[in-house]
Amino acid sequence: QVQLQESGPGLVKPSETLSLTCTVSGGSVSSGSYYWTWIRQLPGKGLEWIGYIYYSGSTNYNPSLKSRVTISVDTSKKQFSLRLSSVTAADTAVYYCARELFRAPGYQFDYWGQGTLVTVSS
Amino acid sequence: DIQMTQSPSSLSASVGDRVTITCRASQGIRNELGWYQQKLGKAPKGLIYAASSLQSGVPSRFSGSGFGTEFTLTISSLQPEDFATYYCQQHNSYPRTFGQGTKVEIK
Repeated sequence: QVQLQESGPGLVKPSETLSLTCTVSGGSVSSGSYYWTWIRQLPGKGLEWIGYIYYSGSTNYNPSLKSRVTISVDTSKKQFSLRLSSVTAADTAVYYCARELFRAPGYQFDYWGQGTLVTVSS
Repeated sequence: DIQMTQSPSSLSASVGDRVTITCRASQGIRNELGWYQQKLGKAPKGLIYAASSLQSGVPSRFSGSGFGTEFTLTISSLQPEDFATYYCQQHNSYPRTFGQGTKVEIK
């Protein structure tokens, strides 16, 4: 059974960089056609896709965040990470990591982490 | 970006009711749509993918239909554990986008 678990600081100061890690257990981040993804949920609002790193190492980011986002992977630790620079209060959200894959006949997010609340405040 | 619009934003229903939620895409997305259920304080859980295929372990009272720009999620007989917020999401293009959610409450 695959499990994902987010970790990282719950409080980040404005203008600093938010850094989160997702640890994958029960599976590998470097095999299979998986898109290791970050999604966030602003307080009381809907879900926003941030981006993914593919098992091959390629990345794709939401254009609305692209200038500030970096997603990377550490295969030896079975982790992938999110860095979001120059944060403001508008980046306060619950951040989820998730796995997307193609399973015929279509794509799906089949596993999610439990989510971690990150508050941006001085 | 493809905009996803759900209706209604909320609904009240009783246990045993048949419930239908609609999702519209701003452009055609074939059948590349998923539905997710989120309970308070929890991560979303996948229900439906490719518009009408059940994710593993999902009860058969959940069903999805649609193609192109209009989709529906139906719960055939609402159970107590189904009271939650439901989101549609398109898998047709990047960035992936979600609907704003439909909250299903107890009448």
